[in-house]
This record gives sequence, structure tokens and C-alpha cells, in this order.
Amino acid sequence: AQSVSQHNHHVILSEAASLELGCNYSYGGTVNLFWYVQYPGQHLQLLLKYFSGDPLVKGIKGFEAEFIKSKFSFNLRKPSVQWSDTAEYFCAVLVGGSARQLTFGSGTQLTVLP
Amino acid sequence: NAGVTQTPKFRVLKTGQSMTLLCAQDMNHEYMYWYRQDPGMGLRLIHYSVGEGTTAKGEVPDGYNVSRLKKQNFLLGLESAAPSQTSVYFCASSPPWAGRKNEQFFGPGTRLTVL
Repeated sequence: AQSVSQHNHHVILSEAASLELGCNYSYGGTVNLFWYVQYPGQHLQLLLKYFSGDPLVKGIKGFEAEFIKSKFSFNLRKPSVQWSDTAEYFCAVLVGGSARQLTFGSGTQLTVLP
Repeated sequence: NAGVTQTPKFRVLKTGQSMTLLCAQDMNHEYMYWYRQDPGMGLRLIHYSVGEGTTAKGEVPDGYNVSRLKKQNFLLGLESAAPSQTSVYFCASSPPWAGRKNEQFFGPGTRLTVL
């Protein structure tokens, strides 16, 4: 079965710092990859997704992620974080098949200090 | 469109009690899902449905039952609640059309505490 690893459990940054959150998955076939964000007290929202094509994908709020197939990675980046980016971030992978089941990582809590 | 809605938002149960969580979507989505979210574990799939009248088990189905009698609704039942089922429950749905069919839309969640 596929799995998703997010090695950073809690990241603390100051405003304007650059962000990179790691995500690795274990599956050798075709995958769709997602980053979701959960702001305090809210539901999950899609930040960005990779289905095919350009491995560098841009999402909302200035976030981007790069799919590196050889490394089984899909790291999330933002050049300059804001206090409002404080949230929990989840990486998820969807493998082929009819069920379209997402497998989530354990999440990374990002705290941005003003 | 309201998107994906969940009822109730909060609930406290005693061990052994039963309850049903309701998920509704107004986007004509074929697929619906129930997840539970626990600290440090991300979201784990409980059950899912690929269409009206169909259900299937996910990663952590024990202690839960589901029904999809109408396309827009997906019910999650706890027959005999246990403290281990204290969690936040999220419902999600995904559209049938190509290009977005693998994207899931989430509801606001239900926070359940079992004493």
C-alpha cells in the first residue's frame, strides 16, 4: 500500500522567511499529488495539485510545489511566508484505480511569528 | 452552492451510545468519503462510496457503518461509541468530470467526543 511521509511535524518561521515542507511518497506507478491546508478551526482546502505535465505547479496564495519523480517527492515552497499562513499542511497522494482514495501524510504544523 | 455540509458540528456521547453523522453535497458528485483526523496521524479513510447505493471499506472501518441511499447524502453511523472514536470527522466528495475528478472537496468537520 502507498504511504506518505511528512518529516517536519512542526515548523516555526518568522514573517518573510522562506518555506519548504517536505513530502515523500512510496508508490512506483502513476500518482496524483496534492497539498491541502487547514487553517485553525476550518476544513481542508486545496492549495495545489499535480496530475501530469510541468512538474512545477503553482497554487493559491503564492505556494508552489515541485514533483521530482526520481526522489518520490513533492515538496511545498513559498518564498516569503506571512503570519496568515499559520496552519497545518497536508500532503496527499492518489494512485490509479477506480476508488480514487487519497492517502494523507501526518501533516506539518506551520507557525509564522509576526 | 453550499458545497459539502456536515451535521452536527459538535457532539458529545457516552460510551455505548449510538449516533449518525450526516454529510450532504449539492455538487452532483459521484464519490463521497468519510475520514477521521487524529493528532499526528493526518486523515485516515473510514469508508467511501463510488455512487448511490454503494459503499466500501477504507483504512479504518471497524466500529463504523455507512449508507448512501441518495446520491447527495452519505451517512456515517456509530452503533456503540467508544472513547477511541473521539476524533474530528471529515466528509469529502469528488466530481465525475475529467480534469477535476481526482480532486476532493471537504466539509467543515464534526468534532466528536466519546466519554
